[in-house]
Amino acid sequence: NAGVMQNPRHLVRRRGQEARLRCSPMKGHSHVYWYRQLPEEGLKFMVYLQKENIIDESGMPKERFSAEFPKEGPSILRIQQVVRGDSAAYFCASSLTSGRSEQYFGPGTRLTVT
Amino acid sequence: DAKTTQPPSMDCAEGRAANLPCNHSTISGNEYVYWYRQIHSQGPQYIIHGLKNNETNEMASLIITEDRKSSTLILPHATLRDTAVYYCIVTGSTDSNYQLIWGAGTKLIIKP
Repeated sequence: NAGVMQNPRHLVRRRGQEARLRCSPMKGHSHVYWYRQLPEEGLKFMVYLQKENIIDESGMPKERFSAEFPKEGPSILRIQQVVRGDSAAYFCASSLTSGRSEQYFGPGTRLTVT
Repeated sequence: DAKTTQPPSMDCAEGRAANLPCNHSTISGNEYVYWYRQIHSQGPQYIIHGLKNNETNEMASLIITEDRKSSTLILPHATLRDTAVYYCIVTGSTDSNYQLIWGAGTKLIIKP
């Protein structure tokens, strides 16, 4: 039973480029959450999505960041015109039912902006 | 801000029980206590959660005080692979409480 999958695991982008992070939830899970973790800090909530809907994006910066979870395919977190401060680990989690605190996390994508 | 307070670090000998405390003095009646851990550079892993009764699963036990202002996560026979940062999180049970608010956690080091 595959867990949450994220790719790529490591991503290097130059300032100004776009970063696309992908997340496939656990089988049967239709609720996806994205978190960001800066070095030596705890995770910070960014966005909560269900299939084709953004439920809560209150933790996501208003500019340059967007997220989607299409009917088919993985959830995508997109960062346009990356800056050095975007360098972090980005974790995706999924849950079986809506808004659950019991979330299952992927291995993360480590974004480095040079 | 996190609603919980945890010691920044703890040591435990391999094979012994690791007892990780958490204070949540402002917890309200419908809020749960969740525990996650994060092994170095990996994604967090759900461990256990509870409301007011003690809970046990294959990974750990959760002891919640009667007044619910504190709890203890117990790893009964710690192994080197249990070295990780352990996070105690208080969250409600309603559909809007999916935003896990992470504090600094406790860095648990298991020593051989």
